[in-house]
Amino acid sequence: GAGVSQSPSNKVTEKGKDVELRCDPISGHTALYWYRQRLGQGLEFLIYFQGNSAPDKSGLPSDRFSAERTGESVSTLTIQRTQQEDSAVYLCASSLRPDTYQETQYFGPGTRLLVL
Amino acid sequence: GESVGLHLPTLSVQEGDNSIINCAYSNSASDYFIWYKQESGKGPQFIIDIRSNMDKRQGQRVTVLLNKTVKHLSLQIAATQPGDSAVYFCAEKTTGGSYIPTFGRGTSLIVHP
Repeated sequence: GAGVSQSPSNKVTEKGKDVELRCDPISGHTALYWYRQRLGQGLEFLIYFQGNSAPDKSGLPSDRFSAERTGESVSTLTIQRTQQEDSAVYLCASSLRPDTYQETQYFGPGTRLLVL
Repeated sequence: GESVGLHLPTLSVQEGDNSIINCAYSNSASDYFIWYKQESGKGPQFIIDIRSNMDKRQGQRVTVLLNKTVKHLSLQIAATQPGDSAVYFCAEKTTGGSYIPTFGRGTSLIVHP
């Protein structure tokens, strides 16, 4: 079946512009995660959605970052007034049963964001 | 604070050799560990996991070893192949804790033919 998909795959923008990144999770997966990965670094947690519960936004680095999720499907990550430091790969993951702590996350290919 | 990290950022091996990638963790409450493989231009992919009630778990050409005494985790890849070239991340979780795994920085494995 289809995996997690993300769009666009690459995005080049100018400093100060807003960008929207999209994630389509695996159908039926109730949990969705956004991560940021800077070049040569590990994964930095941004935000977590689980069903209709309030999202865990504890990883968002500033109020320029926000995310939404429509039910248990598509999510968009928005970065307002982009800065050069926002340049990174933004990864989305979904999982089936987050109430089981051993649940496996399935990652999308990421969106490579470059802020000039 | 608590963290998960890796000893070696880059590991170069010859094709056919065995590879060992190490990971240290500091949260003694961590009881579930996961290894991911991330190939260039792709998202991380689950390889193998292990619970803290185990010391060893084997998969296809991969073995994960857990030493809770020294809070150390390793991933062994047998007969390493060029297709194994990737960045490998360890991650940890804690029962009753966050659903969000904590990822280490990653080790880049380079396999020379």
